[in-house]
Amino acid sequence: AQSVTQLGSHVSVSEGALVLLRCNYSSSVPPYLFWYVQYPNQGLQLLLKYTTGATLVKGINGFEAEFKKSETSFHLTKPSAHMSDAAEYFCAVTHIQGSARQLTFGSGTQLTVLP
Amino acid sequence: EPEVTQTPSHQVTQMGQEVILRCVPISNHLYFYWYRQILGQKVEFLVSFYNNEISEKSEIFDDQFSVERPDGSNFTLKIRSTKLEDSAMYFCASSESGRAFFGQGTRLTVV
Repeated sequence: AQSVTQLGSHVSVSEGALVLLRCNYSSSVPPYLFWYVQYPNQGLQLLLKYTTGATLVKGINGFEAEFKKSETSFHLTKPSAHMSDAAEYFCAVTHIQGSARQLTFGSGTQLTVLP
Repeated sequence: EPEVTQTPSHQVTQMGQEVILRCVPISNHLYFYWYRQILGQKVEFLVSFYNNEISEKSEIFDDQFSVERPDGSNFTLKIRSTKLEDSAMYFCASSESGRAFFGQGTRLTVV
């Protein structure tokens, strides 16, 4: 079984400030971890993913996340927020075993960027 | 970048009617999925499909729902006798090596 917890359903930051969106997961097998972004009335766009190897992964739009196995975390960060970053962000986990490889999503964090 | 295509983008149907949501996954992918997102809520897994059969389904995916890959390219979700609570955004996804590609979604409104 796998699950994802995103702390904070709403996060507000000022433009230019650090963005930190928190994600903790549980998985009985080695996880693959993802962050997706959803703009209003749009689909899910992959920001970045961790599968194996380097634990600090860089994604699009200046975002990065670090896989910390000891903390079962995969927090998303961006050094300097931009107005265009305002969206909903979903953390998700899956694993590559068997034929059922569906994603389990967190409940999402709505990011607001203040001018 | 390859794309998953979903049609229609928005469908309005009357309660009790059947709807078919269509998806064209990425051509060399072998794993296919449907997810649902009720307005304001998180994305929920419905069903996964591999090797021409359902590999896993959630509690949401009851007898009202069915999936099919009729012609080797399309992947459809059929909802029989729709209910008001079926109103949601439905996302199709396909994957190959761990990364899932999502379509833009079909917004289903049941009235």
